[in-house]
Amino acid sequence: AQKVTQAQTEISVVEKEDVTLDCVYETRDTTYYLFWYKQPPSGELVFLIRRNSFDEQNEISGRYSWNFQKSTSSFNFTITASQVVDSAVYFCALSEAPSSNTGKLIFGQGTTLQVKP
Amino acid sequence: DTGVSQDPRHKITKRGQNVTFRCDPISEHNRLYWYRQTLGQGPEFLTYFQNEAQLEKSRLLSDRFSAERPKGSFSTLEIQRTEQGDSAMYLCASSPKGRGRNTEAFFGQGTRLTVV
Repeated sequence: AQKVTQAQTEISVVEKEDVTLDCVYETRDTTYYLFWYKQPPSGELVFLIRRNSFDEQNEISGRYSWNFQKSTSSFNFTITASQVVDSAVYFCALSEAPSSNTGKLIFGQGTTLQVKP
Repeated sequence: DTGVSQDPRHKITKRGQNVTFRCDPISEHNRLYWYRQTLGQGPEFLTYFQNEAQLEKSRLLSDRFSAERPKGSFSTLEIQRTEQGDSAMYLCASSPKGRGRNTEAFFGQGTRLTVV
C-alpha cells in the first residue's frame, strides 16, 4: 500500500530562519511521482514541485529546495530565510505509477508552518 | 480566470438534506478529480474522471455519493441524505493527460460543507 507520512504536525519559526519539512513515503512501485503542495488559509492547494522516482537530483527554486533520497524514502522540503508569507499548511503527496494511468494523489497529513515576524 | 472553479464556496445544510457541488476544470484538461479534506488531515481521493468516464471510485465514496461529468467538461458531486460526518472541504482538481506521464493537478479553492 502507498502511504505518505509527515511527522511534523506544526512548526513555528521566526522570520529569516531556515526550516525543513520532512516527508517519508512508502510504495511498492518502482516508478512514481512525489509532489509538494502549499495550502494557504484561502484553502486552494498550490503546486510547488513534482519529482519522478528516477530523478534524485536535488532541486532549488529561489528560497525553496528539495532533497529526494530514495535510499531513505524521503522527500524533504527546505525554505531558506523564511518569510511571514510562507505561513501555510504544506502537503507532501505521492502519485501512482504512470502505468496505472490515474494520476490520483496520496497525501500526507500536512505540516502547518507558522512564520512569526 | 483560467483556474479550477468550484461553487459554492461554502454550504451549510441540515442533516438528511441533499447537496450538490459543481466544479469547472481548466479548459482542455481531460482529467478531473474529487478529494475530501477533513480538519487537520490531508486530502483524500474520492473519484476520478477521464473526459466523461468515471474510471475510479474510492471506498470512501459511499452509495450516498454520486459524481458526474456529463460532457467531459464540468463535474457535479452530489451527497444524498447528508450526515454530520460528511462535513469537510470538498476539493476538485484537474490535469491534462500528458502522454502517459502524470502531470501536476491544479486544485480549486474547494467547497466547505457543514452539516448541522
